[in-house]
Amino acid sequence: AIWMTQSPSLLSASTGDRVTISCRMSQGISSYLAWYQQKPGKAPELLIYAASTLQSGVPSRFSGSGSGTDFTLTISCLQSEDFATYYCQQYYSFPPTFGQGTKVEIK
Amino acid sequence: EVQLVQSGAEVKKPGESLKISCKGSGYSFTSYWIGWVRQMPGKGLEWMGIIYPGDSDTRYSPSFQGQVTISADKSISTAYLQWSSLKASDTAMYYCARLQGAALDAFDIWGQGTMVTVSS
Repeated sequence: AIWMTQSPSLLSASTGDRVTISCRMSQGISSYLAWYQQKPGKAPELLIYAASTLQSGVPSRFSGSGSGTDFTLTISCLQSEDFATYYCQQYYSFPPTFGQGTKVEIK
Repeated sequence: EVQLVQSGAEVKKPGESLKISCKGSGYSFTSYWIGWVRQMPGKGLEWMGIIYPGDSDTRYSPSFQGQVTISADKSISTAYLQWSSLKASDTAMYYCARLQGAALDAFDIWGQGTMVTVSS
């Protein structure tokens, strides 16, 4: 199985900040990476797939980059509705795996 | 509207059996893989397995192989996750989700989740 290291696990930020979340793989996965947002008590929602493709309806302040083993999710200007937990997921090989999650909280 | 609607919360005792459901609507149910994801209380997401309702091709994560059974009834656009003998450690929120395209893909549509509580 492919191991993933997502960091940080907790990120304290203010509205308007630019934030970045990292996801590192134990082996190369090309661009087979997705990012999800999960708010408390809700199901996850797909933000980005294929490492950098924005899912329909997702605000353009979200962006993804990277390929191979190192990936980044960036929120360019944090809004109040962005305070949530974010997960990366590799779907390069079975079984697909999720990162441990990054909780973005209000500073 | 494309959506997945899951069955309601369950409270069971250890050793009991359980089958939870996930009904798809607004799209061709037989043309997309459906997966199940576990989230234990306060924890992260775990990929359990997937099924292609068109032909019932099923894949499991090694962590869940033999522990659960995934099935589907395409005549009623519904996928299922079942246990034959529940344990307390099965207590979790379970989400069904649709894969965008291939068996290895991102989940683009999610159900609202089914909370399963196993307690004596």
